[in-house]
Amino acid sequence: AQSVTQLDSQVPVFEEAPVELRCNYSSSVSVYLFWYVQYPNQGLQLLLKYLSGSTLVKGINGFEAEFNKSQTSFHLRKPSVHISDTAEYFCAVRGWTSYDKVIFGPGTSLSVIP
Amino acid sequence: DVKVTQSSRYLVKRTGEKVFLECVQDMDHENMFWYRQDPGLGLRLIYFSYDVKMKEKGDIPEGYSVSREKKERFSLILESASTNQTSMYLCASSHRDVANQPQHFGDGTRLSIL
Repeated sequence: AQSVTQLDSQVPVFEEAPVELRCNYSSSVSVYLFWYVQYPNQGLQLLLKYLSGSTLVKGINGFEAEFNKSQTSFHLRKPSVHISDTAEYFCAVRGWTSYDKVIFGPGTSLSVIP
Repeated sequence: DVKVTQSSRYLVKRTGEKVFLECVQDMDHENMFWYRQDPGLGLRLIYFSYDVKMKEKGDIPEGYSVSREKKERFSLILESASTNQTSMYLCASSHRDVANQPQHFGDGTRLSIL
């Protein structure tokens, strides 16, 4: 079974400042890793995913994440945030087999302050 | 582009009513999912389905049932609505045999039970 932890429930940051949203996971099997973003009153949309290969993954809207197997982490970063990045961010994991469910973290609410 | 459509964005019902939430996807996905989203709890899986007429309980199935008569449609049923079922409900779909592909989400139904 897998589990996901997002230690920060809320992250306020000033516009144009860098941000890091933390995600740690536990799993007894190999996993795929995802970050989703949810803008107000919308569903979730995929930001980026790690499947294999390079541990640094680039996504949409200037976000990137780094997979660290030894620390079982998949932290999300952006060097300079914009007001429009204000949203809820969810880290998720899924095992490699077709019938594995996606396990979501509790989410981190990012608030960008002008 | 993948489209997951939930029939209602906002819904208000009374305690004891039978409530139907509908979800339709247009990408021929085998898997479909129903989640509820509550502040601080992230997404919790209610039910999922790997194929027509198949259903599996998720983490919080109590008080809910589902129906999958056609591949593109997955319905969530609240047999007798209660106030603790007031929540945001999200439908998602994905390919069954491609484990590294993300889920695609609808925009959600915000359900209020009075």
